[in-house]
Amino acid sequence: AQKITQTQPGMFVQEKEAVTLDCTYDTSDPSYGLFWYKQPSSGEMIFLIYQGSYDQQNATEGRYSLNFQKARKSANLVISASQLGDSAMYFCAMRAFQGGSEKLVFGKGTKLTVNP
Amino acid sequence: DAGVTQSPTHLIKTRGQQVTLRCSPKSGHDTVSWYQQALGQGPQFIFQYYEEEERQRGNFPDRFSGHQFPNYSSELNVNALLLGDSALYLCASSSTSGGQGTGETQYFGPGTRLLVL
Repeated sequence: AQKITQTQPGMFVQEKEAVTLDCTYDTSDPSYGLFWYKQPSSGEMIFLIYQGSYDQQNATEGRYSLNFQKARKSANLVISASQLGDSAMYFCAMRAFQGGSEKLVFGKGTKLTVNP
Repeated sequence: DAGVTQSPTHLIKTRGQQVTLRCSPKSGHDTVSWYQQALGQGPQFIFQYYEEEERQRGNFPDRFSGHQFPNYSSELNVNALLLGDSALYLCASSSTSGGQGTGETQYFGPGTRLLVL
């Protein structure tokens, strides 16, 4: 079974600094996808970035980059130049295939607080 | 481009009642997935609908049922509500034509907050 582990319940960062949110995963599938979502207090899950298991390069989307280390089964999210609006819950998720369809398996999340 | 919409935004019910939550997918998407997010937890997969059929189901009892309509919108029904059903219910849509990669990314709606008293 697939599993996502996020070991940081909370993280603090100063505005304009970079921060890394940790994510490790476990799967026996040779093909998989990893996602990061941001969830503000309003509740909506906002898609940030995706990394496929066969992608040769780390994914980047603006200030977000994914540090993908396949051998270590880690997919850490790096946010550069943090902004106050980055304060939110961040969830790492894995795409799990079953019976021709897919679902997302989520970690417990990390609460990021950006201080001015 | 309209994103995923859900209604209602908030709902209060009492134990034993039944509830129906609604979801309209993002334009161009044909697959709808439902997730339950308890307070302080990550979302848990309930089920997924495609072509008006339940394609996959998570570890939820039969009290949880759903439906998908020809326009791809979907409903989540929960019968005989329990206090433990209090949660944020998230709907996500995706496209089966996207293939591998971000084409199958699930995009979420704002959720429905259900409180069972």
